[in-house]
Amino acid sequence: DTGVSQNPRHKITKRGQNVTFRCDPISEHNRLYWYRQTLGQGPEFLTYFQNEAQLEKSRLLSDRFSAERPKGSFSTLEIQRTEQGDSAMYLCASSFTSSGNTIYFGEGSWLTVV
Amino acid sequence: QQQVKQSPQSLIVQKGGISIINCAYENTAFDYFPWYQQFPGKGPALLIAIRPDVSEKKEGRFTISFNKSAKQFSLHIMDSQPGDSATYFCAASMTDSWGKLQFGAGTQVVVTP
Repeated sequence: DTGVSQNPRHKITKRGQNVTFRCDPISEHNRLYWYRQTLGQGPEFLTYFQNEAQLEKSRLLSDRFSAERPKGSFSTLEIQRTEQGDSAMYLCASSFTSSGNTIYFGEGSWLTVV
Repeated sequence: QQQVKQSPQSLIVQKGGISIINCAYENTAFDYFPWYQQFPGKGPALLIAIRPDVSEKKEGRFTISFNKSAKQFSLHIMDSQPGDSATYFCAASMTDSWGKLQFGAGTQVVVTP
């Protein structure tokens, strides 16, 4: 396995711009998760997919955020009209249903909104 | 509202010493308790995990102790090494909410030579 891959690793954007992050999960993992982590805090759950279906969304995921997982493989997380409060690391994770609760995180995508 | 409370916020331990990190939870429906290790600029990596049907689990130098009645669990790092310097997060989840982990705020561990 090559691990969970996230791109870009770093993104600096101006307030009001849209940004998109991509996540490629571990091969054959059918569950995919997005978390957000700010400095000095633990990751916070945003949303998850089983195959292509988005099964749960946190209240943290405002209507400016949208996540997709077409064809149940890679996923994208788009943030529209970015705000300074969106500055954080966006973590993607994946798991396989039969592996229970064990999830594996990627290296994260750092977003800085200026 | 933080469902998993972690302490201390940071700790410094000498090489060869024992690092102890504690976590407490409120939701009795939680039934999976992992610990993650995170180095600066990296994603969290699963270290060790426990379920409430056991009171202790050991993997190498890392041990989880679990107290179901007190709703507390802890991570012990034995013979701490400088390479263990990282931030450690406890977490909890429920069987019917696969992958939806509730994380503690983290403990920054520094192991001095």
